[in-house]
Amino acid sequence: AQKVTQAQTEISVVEKEDVTLDCVYETRDTTYYLFWYKQPPSGELVFLIRRNSFDEQNEISGRYSWNFQKSTSSFNFTITASQVVDSAVYFCALSEAGWSGTASKLTFGTGTRLQVTL
Amino acid sequence: EPEVTQTPSHQVTQMGQEVILRCVPISNHLYFYWYRQILGQKVEFLVSFYNNEISEKSEIFDDQFSVERPDGSNFTLKIRSTKLEDSAMYFCASHGAGHQETQYFGPGTRLLVL
Repeated sequence: AQKVTQAQTEISVVEKEDVTLDCVYETRDTTYYLFWYKQPPSGELVFLIRRNSFDEQNEISGRYSWNFQKSTSSFNFTITASQVVDSAVYFCALSEAGWSGTASKLTFGTGTRLQVTL
Repeated sequence: EPEVTQTPSHQVTQMGQEVILRCVPISNHLYFYWYRQILGQKVEFLVSFYNNEISEKSEIFDDQFSVERPDGSNFTLKIRSTKLEDSAMYFCASHGAGHQETQYFGPGTRLLVL
């Protein structure tokens, strides 16, 4: 069975600080997909990134970066120079590769609430 | 940019009543999902739907729940007899041809059962 653990329930930082959100996953599949979603106070789920299990390259997108390490089953998310608008709940999620023609559910972690203050 | 839409945004109902939550997935998507999020908790998978049939369902998705794609655009979740514990945010999601594609979520329907 697949499982995602986000051990950090809540993090508070001051604007301009860097912050890393941790995500550890469990799966028996050799092919799987990892995601980060942002849930701002308005409640919607905003897709941030998808990473395939066979691609361990780290990725940077503006102030966001992701560190995928299969050896430790981790997919951590770093926000550089945080801003107040980054305040949200961030969810890490995992889907396993199903058979062609079958849907593949997302298993979410419990989320990390990030509070960025001035 | 195409997006998943959901109606209504909020619904208040009495325990025991039937509710239908509606979703319009992105037009060329083939895989559809419902998730729910009880307030302050994580997002939980309910059901997936592909090729006009349920692909997988969770333990939460009991006989009180059903899904339907009545036409080429809508995807609905029906709860036949609502319970207090059904109060949650319900998200619809969809993705394209590959089962590994990114799921895009609708804005959610907040259901409150009194």
